[in-house]
Amino acid sequence: ETGVTQTPRHLVMGMTNKKSLKCEQHLGHNAMYWYKQSAKKPLELMFVYNFKEQTENNSVPSRFSPECPNSSHLFLHLHTLQPEDSALYLCASSQDGRTEAFFGQGTRLTVV
Amino acid sequence: AQKVTQAQTEISVVEKEDVTLDCVYETRDTTYYLFWYKQPPSGELVFLIRRNSFDEQNEISGRYSWNFQKSTSSFNFTITASQVVDSAVYFCALSDSDRGSTLGRLYFGRGTQLTVWP
Repeated sequence: ETGVTQTPRHLVMGMTNKKSLKCEQHLGHNAMYWYKQSAKKPLELMFVYNFKEQTENNSVPSRFSPECPNSSHLFLHLHTLQPEDSALYLCASSQDGRTEAFFGQGTRLTVV
Repeated sequence: AQKVTQAQTEISVVEKEDVTLDCVYETRDTTYYLFWYKQPPSGELVFLIRRNSFDEQNEISGRYSWNFQKSTSSFNFTITASQVVDSAVYFCALSDSDRGSTLGRLYFGRGTQLTVWP
């Protein structure tokens, strides 16, 4: 069992839909992250949460809305997405920024 | 600004060959952390190693070895006697965490696709 679990693994949604990605970590970590991996682009950090507080938002469009109800769970709410938002969305957690981050298997999102 | 460069986009080798993946980084911080991750086709990034900026000792773990040289800002990764299962995308990353309560974040290179042929 992986320490970081993401659901769903695959998601196809229309541009007018609303969906949510879920991430759960069982490692007792304090920090959680959302990354976006697009084809032919470097992994991009989207959001950072530390002890449930958002500490970083890297100019992400408002159609992506994160939520961190507790240190173990992280959500990414999606609405009115664009086709260019199709990507692999990876969740990660770490004890702090000095230690390695552990990643989930990602959600492959396709916007049609 | 922090930056990680992996100049090799794709590498192909035949099984049992040795292969080195290059990583060059830029940072103005004196304290930083370097990482290597492996991403197999399943998508999950698998942590391989972490190095802090004060530890230049090279490390070997089985068929994997890492060469950290601050003088050239490089953190190269060598796989000895490569195997088909080593085929994956490998990412080098830099973390600038050490700023009080501010958490660090990972700056990734673009990755190197390694294909090992039988």
